[in-house]
Amino acid sequence: SYELTQPLSVSVALGQTARITCGGNNIGSKDVHWYQQKPGQAPVLVIYRDNNRPSGIPERLSGSNSGNTATLTISRAQAGDEADYYCQVWDSSTGVFGGGTKLTVL
Amino acid sequence: EVQLVESGGGLIQPGGSLRLSCAASGFTVSSNYMSWVRQAPGKGLECVSVIYSGGYTYYADSVRGRFTISRDNSKNTLYLQMNSLRAEDTSVYYCARASSTSSGMDVWGQGTTVTVSS
Repeated sequence: SYELTQPLSVSVALGQTARITCGGNNIGSKDVHWYQQKPGQAPVLVIYRDNNRPSGIPERLSGSNSGNTATLTISRAQAGDEADYYCQVWDSSTGVFGGGTKLTVL
Repeated sequence: EVQLVESGGGLIQPGGSLRLSCAASGFTVSSNYMSWVRQAPGKGLECVSVIYSGGYTYYADSVRGRFTISRDNSKNTLYLQMNSLRAEDTSVYYCARASSTSSGMDVWGQGTTVTVSS
């Protein structure tokens, strides 16, 4: 089965840029989606199909995908960005999620 | 307003059964890929079942043979019948919509908690 690997945690200083990676075998050939989840809340789609933002998601969030790594980039990090982030692809008829990354804004 | 509302969770003994419901509004369940995604306490997201617009269904190995996904088009509602429940099924269960595999899961319910314990 397909596996996605994310770092357990990433820290970023307020106003700086955070990058969260998602590794998978030839992930560049797949559409990658990213979700933000805050404590006690349902996940929210923040990036779809590698680098597209749903309406209402700020331009500070962006995505890229190439080779064996997809990346979620959060520019000008704010306290409100502190959350868990999950990458996801569709493989073998199911949604496959990465293990999640806890973003801490210092 | 596009919305999903889950219900049916609760405390159940091992070996018991529960049926979760996910009522949709603002869109048609049968025209989308509908998933049940669960999250064990302190853990990540796991997609346990999917029903495609054409009716094809998928189950994770951990639930295959015990869980059944279905939909009622007249009620615009998604279901998850859970039998032979185990302690490791304890999770928050979310239903989620994806219009295609290229769109991501763009609508989520608020989640319903299932606790399997004696």
